[in-house]
Amino acid sequence: GAVVSQHPSRVICKSGTSVKIECRSLDFQATTMFWYRQFPKQSLMLMATSNEGSKATYEQGVEKDKFLINHASLTLSTLTVTSAHPEDSSFYICSARYRGLTNTEAFFGQGTRLTVV
Amino acid sequence: QKEVEQNSGPLSVPEGAIASLNCTYSDRGSQSFFWYRQYSGKSPELIMSIYSNGDKEDGRFTAQLNKASQYVSLLTRDSQPSDSATYLCASYTGFQKLVFGTGTRLLVSP
Repeated sequence: GAVVSQHPSRVICKSGTSVKIECRSLDFQATTMFWYRQFPKQSLMLMATSNEGSKATYEQGVEKDKFLINHASLTLSTLTVTSAHPEDSSFYICSARYRGLTNTEAFFGQGTRLTVV
Repeated sequence: QKEVEQNSGPLSVPEGAIASLNCTYSDRGSQSFFWYRQYSGKSPELIMSIYSNGDKEDGRFTAQLNKASQYVSLLTRDSQPSDSATYLCASYTGFQKLVFGTGTRLLVSP
């Protein structure tokens, strides 16, 4: 299967600081990447859909100014959590889909566990 | 109504038994469906994808799709303790968003 690399896997930051999470498709080009957040014992909540070269589409209730998404190339999307607060502590996961294909499987990165203190 | 629904479980089966996981979806326009497995603290991994009505088999896994009933299932034969995990059903909405059900926790006892 395709490989998606997410970095960092864990990060602890102070309240008020910003954290950047990278998601890379290593062996394929991804036009579309999805960003999810998962709280303990809950399912994946879609935050936004990131398309290469265009603005991300955010889900209702997700603050686009707080969760900045950049998809500058076909292999890299980044999520920046700005002015992080303890309630932003969560497991953030990206997934990527093959370039040019719709309705096909998406492959997940390893996830980033963010703890804001 | 949620777009993808699953029973949260847990579903408990003995080792060697068949585990049956179910999922329903609300968008009749959905064309593709996926089963992911997620171990605690890890990200989901793809098990099966299914696009057409009927059954699709891959090793110990069989996915079943019934578009008329808007129903997808995953059967795991010869269940092993290592299969204990949360199983997530996913589908694309009409807006090309990949959405997930709440997941069903499967427990396979030795």
